[in-house]
Amino acid sequence: EPEVTQTPSHQVTQMGQEVILRCVPISNHLYFYWYRQILGQKVEFLVSFYNNEISEKSEIFDDQFSVERPDGSNFTLKIRSTKLEDSAMYFCASSEDSGSNEQFFGPGTRLTVL
Amino acid sequence: RKEVEQDPGPFNVPEGATVAFNCTYSNSASQSFFWYRQDCRKEPKLLMSVYSSGNEDGRFTAQLNRASQYISLLIRDSKLSDSATYLCVVSLYSGNTPLVFGKGTRLSVIA
Repeated sequence: EPEVTQTPSHQVTQMGQEVILRCVPISNHLYFYWYRQILGQKVEFLVSFYNNEISEKSEIFDDQFSVERPDGSNFTLKIRSTKLEDSAMYFCASSEDSGSNEQFFGPGTRLTVL
Repeated sequence: RKEVEQDPGPFNVPEGATVAFNCTYSNSASQSFFWYRQDCRKEPKLLMSVYSSGNEDGRFTAQLNRASQYISLLIRDSKLSDSATYLCVVSLYSGNTPLVFGKGTRLSVIA
């Protein structure tokens, strides 16, 4: 069964450093998303991406964040200058162009900012 | 006002029990509705979409009441493997749009 994959599974970084989180969405899916979940809190939407551009973003997704689809398979989330409060699980998700909006999530990257 | 509200639980039930979870959402324009389950420190996994007419998948039954802005999930004949956090999820528009998650209801099924 096709699935979303993410690397790394755990990233530890120093405050102020740049991190890149990587995702490989399901191959026939056209819509890609990043969500985050701070420990003990709910899952929150960050950004959605379609046709090589951002289609929607939340208030959390400020100028420190960017997304890119550098090739035909990868989808990345970059945080330019990490803050302590960026520590969270970051989930990538994808959905096909069926209108059902059924989104399938990757296993997540646990980001720890020290 | 929270967009999606759920009873946080935990619900502790014996194997074989029937358990029901409820959820309310604040935006009457919401178009799509889902239940996801999340195991500890894992990703949300789609359990089922929720349709206006209600739908069933094996031991799981989901209901939607648009007038009351209320969604429910019923689990019959609970298994130990059903132990997880159940997330009520809505999206505001039809099509491929952001999901809005509730905080989840934790279920523990006990032998």
